[in-house]
Amino acid sequence: QVQLQESGPGLVKASETLSLTCDVSGGSVGSGSFYWSWIRQPPGKGLEWIGYIHYTGTINYNPSLKSRITISTDTSKNQFSLKLTSVTAADTAIYYCARVFLWFGASKGYFDYWGQGILVTVSS
Amino acid sequence: EIVLTQSPGTLSLSPGERATLSCRASQSVCNSYLAWYQQKPGQPPRLLIYGASSRATGIPDRISGSGSGTDFTLIISRLEPEDFAVYYCQQYCNSPYTFGQGTKLEIK
Repeated sequence: QVQLQESGPGLVKASETLSLTCDVSGGSVGSGSFYWSWIRQPPGKGLEWIGYIHYTGTINYNPSLKSRITISTDTSKNQFSLKLTSVTAADTAIYYCARVFLWFGASKGYFDYWGQGILVTVSS
Repeated sequence: EIVLTQSPGTLSLSPGERATLSCRASQSVCNSYLAWYQQKPGQPPRLLIYGASSRATGIPDRISGSGSGTDFTLIISRLEPEDFAVYYCQQYCNSPYTFGQGTKLEIK
């Protein structure tokens, strides 16, 4: 059973950098069959895709956040990470990590496993 | 960017009734690359349907998806108490991946 677990600070000051890590168990970040993704959800609101990464280095970011985000993998630790710079109150959200199942080996896929999420609050 | 619009915003039904949720895309979703998720309070979304109509592992057959192009539907044929939640559609045809704003299915 694949499990994902987010970790990182729950409180970040405005203008600083949000850093989160997702630990993966029951599966390998180094598997070619999946992308690894971050999604966020402001409290009481809908879902926003942030970006994904493949262990080979293929990366795709949401253009709305592209200038501020970096997603990376560490296959030795079987984890992947998110950095979001210059945060504001608008970045307050529950951040989820998720696995992207690449359907029929295509370069597109859906989110089949999710972490429980971590609430990150940006304080002024 | 493909914008997904879900309707209705809130659906009030009773257990045993049939629920029909709609997801309309601003442009055609290639290859029916559309998924549906269920989210309960305090939990992450759970994959229900992918490829517009394929049920994910462990999803009961009273939950079904259909549609193509720009119009997609999620049907729950006989509502059980555990089905009352928020439902999101999501397209993975084009980047950026986008979600609908959600439909809240509440007990009448």
